Amino acid sequence: DTGVSQNPRHKITKRGQNVTFRCDPISEHNRLYWYRQTLGQGPEFLTYFQNEAQLEKSRLLSDRFSAERPKGSFSTLEIQRTEQGDSAMYLCASSAEFSGASSYNEQFFGPGTRLTVL
Amino acid sequence: GEDVEQSLFLSVREGDSSVINCTYTDSSSTYLYWYKQEPGAGLQLLTYIFSNMDMKQDQRLTVLLNKKDKHLSLRIADTQTGDSAIYFCAEVYSSASKIIFGSGTRLSIRP
Repeated sequence: DTGVSQNPRHKITKRGQNVTFRCDPISEHNRLYWYRQTLGQGPEFLTYFQNEAQLEKSRLLSDRFSAERPKGSFSTLEIQRTEQGDSAMYLCASSAEFSGASSYNEQFFGPGTRLTVL
Repeated sequence: GEDVEQSLFLSVREGDSSVINCTYTDSSSTYLYWYKQEPGAGLQLLTYIFSNMDMKQDQRLTVLLNKKDKHLSLRIADTQTGDSAIYFCAEVYSSASKIIFGSGTRLSIRP
């Protein structure tokens, strides 16, 4: 399977614990995105990497959230001191980089990690 | 500001056409997308339209874009039970940037 993979698929934790999720993008893709999706809502952008550089962060990404992509390949998203409001599906997507005015770079989404904070 | 709105539910009879509507606020969007999400499955890009187009057809799918009214629609012809899913309208400035999603329309098919 050469798609975007995410681990774990499900995580249940107690409030106050730290959690870390991993995303493995499609191998030739240099862009990687994190989104969060709560029940009944569409995905909301969290942050975006081009290679190892984190280029944009949403206001949703509080100080308790940190994302890394140290070698420009896989990425991790850590949530410290989890709160019940952090319960959501965390989605990762990746895309390639093509240049040109009419270029289109589809973001391919992984299956997500569902976080439940008790 | 960035905002994408769509109705929450749509119910259609099998074999009829489904039309899902969406409005967006950012006129600088470059691409507008329709994504499909089935239970337990990831987001699947169904189709997209470049902002300088009015219509795009892809087999049973027809996308109409009214830039003046900032209105996007997705028509699914001959709706089948396998089309049951949540459909998200989305916009993006450029293909490198974040996608802004609507809250999704749940399409249910009745026999």
